[in-house]
Amino acid sequence: EVQLVESGGGLVQPGRSLRLSCAASGFTFDDYAMHWVRQAPGRGLEWVSGISWNSGTIAYADSVKGRFTISRDNAKNSLYLQMKSLRPEDTAFYYCAKDFGSGGWRDHIDYWGQGTLVAVSS
Amino acid sequence: IQLTQSPSSLSASVGDRVTITCRASQGISSYLAWYQQKPGNAPKLLIYVASTLESGVPSRFSGSGSGTDFTLTISSLQPEDFATYYCLQLNSYPLTFGGGTKVEIK
Repeated sequence: EVQLVESGGGLVQPGRSLRLSCAASGFTFDDYAMHWVRQAPGRGLEWVSGISWNSGTIAYADSVKGRFTISRDNAKNSLYLQMKSLRPEDTAFYYCAKDFGSGGWRDHIDYWGQGTLVAVSS
Repeated sequence: IQLTQSPSSLSASVGDRVTITCRASQGISSYLAWYQQKPGNAPKLLIYVASTLESGVPSRFSGSGSGTDFTLTISSLQPEDFATYYCLQLNSYPLTFGGGTKVEIK
């Protein structure tokens, strides 16, 4: 059974940093691309970032480019999102999501974690 | 690529046929997926590559379209289908979601 478990969320002040982690199990992690998707409370879904199986292709939404960094450790079956210069508008549930394919595009997202809440406020 | 989903909300009765549309600002071939989300839960995959039903999803759900215009149809709405539905384009980075369609009970 595919399981994606996010951690690292919490309350943080504007301008500070936070690192999210996603522990993956139930599938061969290094065969698949992975994504981060966020959802502000009461709002729609927003794709944040994606990374291919070997970290060779990485992409970001314009809203986070230059502030967020996605990475993965295939030996640890883990996905990460380093978030810097956080803003109140970054407040959201952050979901770790598995891609059906290895590249990160031209396939689909098939599994989601339950999300971790990041709240940016002074 | 922007995805315009319509309507943003609708009210329907059990047994109704429901159609949700998703229009892309440029052609995305068939690289579109549909997701269902219920309050407090993660999204659930329904349809991928525009018209392929995910395993385990009831056959009352169907998808169609290619290029820029796509449709999600629920042939006979069931009580468990009241939720918010999103389209997602995966043709190119950055990936983008539609704004969502909330299906409510009439």
